[in-house]
Amino acid sequence: KNEVEQSPQNLTAQEGEFITINCSYSVGISALHWLQQHPGGGIVSLFMLSSGKKKHGRLIATINIQEKHSSLHITASHPRDSAVYICAVRWQGGSEKLVFGKGTKLTVNP
Amino acid sequence: NAGVTQTPKFRILKIGQSMTLQCTQDMNHNYMYWYRQDPGMGLKLIYYSVGAGITDKGEVPNGYNVSRSTTEDFPLRLELAAPSQTSVYFCASSYPDRALSHFGNGTRLTVT
Repeated sequence: KNEVEQSPQNLTAQEGEFITINCSYSVGISALHWLQQHPGGGIVSLFMLSSGKKKHGRLIATINIQEKHSSLHITASHPRDSAVYICAVRWQGGSEKLVFGKGTKLTVNP
Repeated sequence: NAGVTQTPKFRILKIGQSMTLQCTQDMNHNYMYWYRQDPGMGLKLIYYSVGAGITDKGEVPNGYNVSRSTTEDFPLRLELAAPSQTSVYFCASSYPDRALSHFGNGTRLTVT
């Protein structure tokens, strides 16, 4: 079964800490997405990547295709980073469908 | 640009009632999607469309129908609401080069 696994499920950090959220998947992909779901429920796409690394502000996403693994890092975390972070993959084979992980709930305390 | 607009934001239905969740986007995206999100679970794809006049089933299509008569609109129809359809529904759109998806703000549906 093609699966997307995220870890940890829940993460609590102190303001300023470096955060790492992990995503592993079972078979080859054409792209991997990281999304952020705010406490109010809205979903925002953060990154789409198929190789290497992308950076936007304090957010860094990396992917290792051989190991079927991606990480999302947050530097100098802030309470406003508190959200659910979701990993989603598009399997190889041309499908337009995204398969989602269950999400990692991040709480950053001041 | 408004992005992806979903209506309504909240709705309570009785078992057996029908309703349509509206979704419209003003970004001229070809691809549009409907997802449902259940507590503790990842988003599940209900239906998707790669362009006007073309729709296809996702992982969990039973109990739902869609149409795509224009590029902008992708309504989701529930014909006979069941308690299992209680969920939060998200509409999304993207360009066909598989770029980042844009999501609506969600519709929280309760069927009692």
